[in-house]
Amino acid sequence: QVQLQESGPGLMKPSETLSLTCTVSGGSVSSGGYYWSWIRQPPRKGLEWIGYIYSTGSTNYNPSLKSRVTISLDTSKNQFSLKLSSVSAADTAVYYCARYRTRAVEAFDIWGQGTMVTVSS
Amino acid sequence: DIQMTQSPSSPSASVGDRVTITCRASQSISTYLNWYQLKPGTAPNLLIYAASSLQSGVPSRFSGSGSGTDFTLTISSLQPEDFATYYCQQSYSPPHTFGQGTKLQI
Repeated sequence: QVQLQESGPGLMKPSETLSLTCTVSGGSVSSGGYYWSWIRQPPRKGLEWIGYIYSTGSTNYNPSLKSRVTISLDTSKNQFSLKLSSVSAADTAVYYCARYRTRAVEAFDIWGQGTMVTVSS
Repeated sequence: DIQMTQSPSSPSASVGDRVTITCRASQSISTYLNWYQLKPGTAPNLLIYAASSLQSGVPSRFSGSGSGTDFTLTISSLQPEDFATYYCQQSYSPPHTFGQGTKLQI
């Protein structure tokens, strides 16, 4: 079955650019009908959708983060990535990658386990 | 953005209890409402999609209902593994937004 696994640095300094990668196994990021997504959860807070990318490369970002976010696809490695620029302590969170399934489901049906990112000087 | 409000936030419950969690949207979202279960250190799990459809592999004690702005998630008989945090999420229009979560505790 399809599995997702996040990877990236656990600790960052303010003003740096966060880079995370999600590796997809058991399925292809080139498959139609799915958006490849990033979602985060700050400590003691709820879930926040960051954005997603379709197999065609089309993206949609949360307006609250749009100016700092880039999501890209690497079909040769079956991965997708998140870049978040100018991070601050407010970006400290568990970051999840997830598959958003369209075609009658319209939900995040498969998630990675999440990776904790801490921003601290 | 569509705001999602859940209640209660952290109810106490016991094994065997029937538990109901409610979610209200700030505008009508038809049945574009999903429910997730989160446990620390594990991948979040989709329980219910389209307000009332049970995701494959999810136990039948979980059920969902509602349309428009008011929705409920019901656990008919709480099991030890159900103590977790539950979130609703609207997929009516981006940005996809979640409720603030309901943490079930003993």
